[in-house]
Amino acid sequence: EDQVTQSPEALRLQEGESSSLNCSYTVSGLRGLFWYRQDPGKGPEFLFTLYSAGEEKEKERLKATLTKKESFLHITAPKPEDSATYLCAWGGATNKLIFGTGTLLAVQP
Amino acid sequence: SQTIHQWPATLVQPVGSPLSLECTVEGTSNPNLYWYRQAAGRGLQLLFYSVGIGQISSEVPQNLSASRPQDRQFILSSKKLLLSDSGFYLCAWRESWGAGEKLFFGSGTQLSVL
Repeated sequence: EDQVTQSPEALRLQEGESSSLNCSYTVSGLRGLFWYRQDPGKGPEFLFTLYSAGEEKEKERLKATLTKKESFLHITAPKPEDSATYLCAWGGATNKLIFGTGTLLAVQP
Repeated sequence: SQTIHQWPATLVQPVGSPLSLECTVEGTSNPNLYWYRQAAGRGLQLLFYSVGIGQISSEVPQNLSASRPQDRQFILSSKKLLLSDSGFYLCAWRESWGAGEKLFFGSGTQLSVL
């Protein structure tokens, strides 16, 4: 069964304390690995798409990387406004994305 | 630019009542449209997706149904709501060509069935 697993479920960081979120997948036929940010009570906001192992993408304090079986979202020197739930999703050969359960990130000042 | 509208933002309904949630997309043609549900503290569960008018694919057996009467309109319905239908419902769209594979989400409807 195709599955996407995220860890940790929750992460609390001090402002400026860098860390990484993990997304592992057991799927066939990866066409894209997606990262989204979701604020409470809102729809997910697109961050990155990664298509092949070794690919990296950056946006401000966030950097996403991809291997053959997992993806990492690295957060460098986070700020309180980075607090949110971060979702990863796998896109296969069909028209749908399969989402993980997310990592709830809290950055304390 | 493309925008997606979803309403209402919040809804409280009694068990056994009907449901109709509407989603419309502007600024694009022939989008792929999706309904996802998110339970509290959980990930997004795909409910339905549509690649064109009248074409609906169901991912999870349930008492919900979806319809696409127009190219940019997607409706989620139920004849009789269950307590387990509570959750955060999200509509999303993707261009059927170009723009990569990414989905763009609406602002969501928080449904509470009491």
